[in-house]
Amino acid sequence: KAGVTQTPRYLIKTRGQQVTLSCSPISGHRSVSWYQQTPGQGLQFLFEYFSETQRNKGNFPGRFSGRQFSNSRSEMNVSTLELGDSALYLCASSLTGISYEQYFGPGTRLTVT
Amino acid sequence: GENVEQHPSTLSVQEGDSAVIKCTYSDSASNYFPWYKQELGKGPQLIIDIRSNVGEKKDQRIAVTLNKTAKHFSLHITETQPEDSAVYFCAASRYSSASKIIFGSGTRLSIRP
Repeated sequence: KAGVTQTPRYLIKTRGQQVTLSCSPISGHRSVSWYQQTPGQGLQFLFEYFSETQRNKGNFPGRFSGRQFSNSRSEMNVSTLELGDSALYLCASSLTGISYEQYFGPGTRLTVT
Repeated sequence: GENVEQHPSTLSVQEGDSAVIKCTYSDSASNYFPWYKQELGKGPQLIIDIRSNVGEKKDQRIAVTLNKTAKHFSLHITETQPEDSAVYFCAASRYSSASKIIFGSGTRLSIRP
């Protein structure tokens, strides 16, 4: 079974631009969660989608948004990028949306200059 | 807010020796405690987890212990091998509240040959 895939793997953007990241969960998984990982703040929960509905949202500004499609693939969008948005963005999928047994993708490394 | 403290932040052990990583959590309602291993360039991989109705769980060279009264849980790796070198994260959550998972800050484990 293929694992969680994320595209692109690396991205360089300029302050003020916007970016869209994509995540394809493991086949059959209906829940996708997004996390931001930085050296200073560690792993922080962004939001979770289950069956195309956002079920939980972390403590991030409204510039961070996401969505999930009917095939469970998910995208997250960050508008008006700031230098502090530079991070590894991780996507995790699970079968039912319960927080245990999450399977992470390799992440998208976003650098904002 | 709720938090998870993880110690030590770095750990170097001789190959074949044991390694122990400790975490404490603040949310007394937490009932699910996973451990993740993150290798360079990869996303976190779930290696073992424990639920609040269990005090100890073992899987080959890896074991996790939980003390709910003291709100402590620990990861024990015995007979360490070079491939155990990675960053390890503990986490705590209420599995009835999907995706409200709080991660520790990580421990960088190095195995000396």
